[in-house]
Amino acid sequence: SYVLTQPPSVSVAPGQTARITCGGNNIGSKSVHWYQQKPGQAPVLVVYDDSDRPSGIPERFSGSNSGNTATLTISRVEAGDEADYYCQVWDSSSDHPVFGTGTKVTVL
Amino acid sequence: QVQLVQSGAEVKKPGASVKVSCKASGYTFTSYDINWVRQATGQGLEWMGWMNPNSGNTGYAQKFQGRVTMTRNTSISTAYMELSSLRSEDTAVYYCARVPSISSNWFDPWGQGTLVTVSS
Repeated sequence: SYVLTQPPSVSVAPGQTARITCGGNNIGSKSVHWYQQKPGQAPVLVVYDDSDRPSGIPERFSGSNSGNTATLTISRVEAGDEADYYCQVWDSSSDHPVFGTGTKVTVL
Repeated sequence: QVQLVQSGAEVKKPGASVKVSCKASGYTFTSYDINWVRQATGQGLEWMGWMNPNSGNTGYAQKFQGRVTMTRNTSISTAYMELSSLRSEDTAVYYCARVPSISSNWFDPWGQGTLVTVSS
């Protein structure tokens, strides 16, 4: 089945930019979605279809996708952005969604 | 606003079954698929299956085939996920999540989660 690989952790200072990668075979041909999950809470959609933001999500969250890597970028990082982030695609071969391994973002 | 509210935490013995509910509000329940995803403590997200609340059609991840049943009661806008033959490895938080349109394959919103603990 399709595998999505994320770095286990990313650390960033407040005000700087965090980039979280999601690697998969030819992931650029798929639509990638990103979720933020804070401790003890349910996941929240922050980016869908590679780069679109749901209403209420700050413009600081952006996404891109090309080749074998999709990236979630968080600009001007704030303490409140500290969370786990998961990427997700739909695997057409198995006809079900696949989640990435998750990345813990720590704000220094 | 669109909201999914799940039932409370459960403690079950190995071999038992658990049924988790997910009550939808703020939209037409029968118009959008409901999916179930679980998360063991400290682990990632694992998709379990989907249900179309209008037709009742379902699709399950191969891992759970034969053990999971997803149903609904349209009169009260509620979806259910029942998992049988529970074992300790099924201890996890179980989430329901809506697919927001017929042409989308992402999940928004999610329920608050239901902790299921399997212990003798």
